Order: sequence, then structure tokens, then C-alpha cells
Amino acid sequence: DPKIIQKPKYLVAVTGSEKILICEQYLGHNAMYWYRQSAKKPLEFMFSYSYQKLMDNQTASSRFQPQSSKKNHLDLQITALKPDDSATYFCASSRDRVSNERLFFGHGTKLSVL
Amino acid sequence: QQKVQQSPESLIVPEGGMASLNCTSSDRNVDYFWWYRQHSGKSPKMLMSIFSNGEKEEGRFTVHLNKASLHTSLHIRDSQPSDSALYLCAASVTSGGNYKPTFGKGTSLVVHP
Repeated sequence: DPKIIQKPKYLVAVTGSEKILICEQYLGHNAMYWYRQSAKKPLEFMFSYSYQKLMDNQTASSRFQPQSSKKNHLDLQITALKPDDSATYFCASSRDRVSNERLFFGHGTKLSVL
Repeated sequence: QQKVQQSPESLIVPEGGMASLNCTSSDRNVDYFWWYRQHSGKSPKMLMSIFSNGEKEEGRFTVHLNKASLHTSLHIRDSQPSDSALYLCAASVTSGGNYKPTFGKGTSLVVHP
């Protein structure tokens, strides 16, 4: 019974298009994150949110925009998609945004940009 | 920017053998080290954590930490084929409100029967 739901599980997009990756967590956590993982790069931190507020942004490109409509939601909008954006995008959460709280990951959205 | 280095990149051990994985952080402000395991096609799941010097054991898994050298190691004894996975080390720092768990590239472990 997954407590962090990511939709969709697989996504194919054409170069230049726009997609939204959905994430909802039912763990009652206050902090949420986006990570990206590809064959070329390790698990890479993108954004962190705490109580729906953006706390940290490590993504250089403004084409990636997180959106939090509710405390347990953190979507990721990606515009002007490029083949290099192909990766698995993991949503994660933790009880709070402090060092001693472990991360729980969703199953990921595997994005392929053609 | 903090870097987390893991070695070796890949490791093959026989079933029943001992696997030893290493991890070092470049940030002296690290509070916690974490080990996550990621089976192929799955998401990472936390295996163990350590924040004080010394050793912590949970079943077949033992974690060591040397805070002076910012080095942690994970040892898996009596390795099983089901232990075959990508092992990710993460280091977390909470200072000045800047909290960002950073992962290494991982060690790919294969346990062959």
C-alpha cells in the first residue's frame, strides 16, 4: 500500500512539450522533495519544500517548476522538454526538514523525451 | 557544494560472503549519514543511519562511522542474492536552515549464488 503516490509511472513526451508530474504523500509529513536519477547522473537533489514553502532549489533551469497546492502535494511542471531531461523523477518526503529524519521515496515517474 | 564519494563503484561477492562498502563526505558540517538500498527498477529505501562515532549493527548489516574523517562504511555479512542492489550513501546537514540530503553515486552490489 504505497504511501507516496506518483503519477504517471511512465511518461513519453516529445521535445519541446510540457508535462506535469504528480506527487501526493499520505504519511502526514511536513517536508517534500524532488530528486532525479538517470544513467548518467546519480540521485540528484532538485527541490525541497517545507509546509508548502520552497526551501531549496538546486535546479539551474527555470523550465522546472514545483507546485504545491496542498501540504501533501508537490507536483513538478517541466516545460520545453529536452531529450536530456529523460530520467526517473522521484518524489520523497520526511517528517520534517532536519538531518535526523529519513526520506521516504515514491516509486518514481520514468520520463522519456523523444 | 557538498560531495559524497562512494567506493567501490561495483562489487561482486559470493553468496555467504562479506560485502564492504565505503562512503566519505566533503562537508565537515554533516550531521547524519544514511545508507539506502535500491533494487533494480525500484525506489531507494532507507537501510541504516548513523550519527555518532562507532558502530551500529542490525542483523547482517553493520555500519561504522569515523566523524573525524567523515567516513562511513557498510558491511553486509552472509550476503544473499536478494542483497544484490544499488547501495546509496547519503549525508545530511542542517545548518542555517539549509537542509539538503545529498547522495553519492552508489555501489552496485552483485551477490552470486
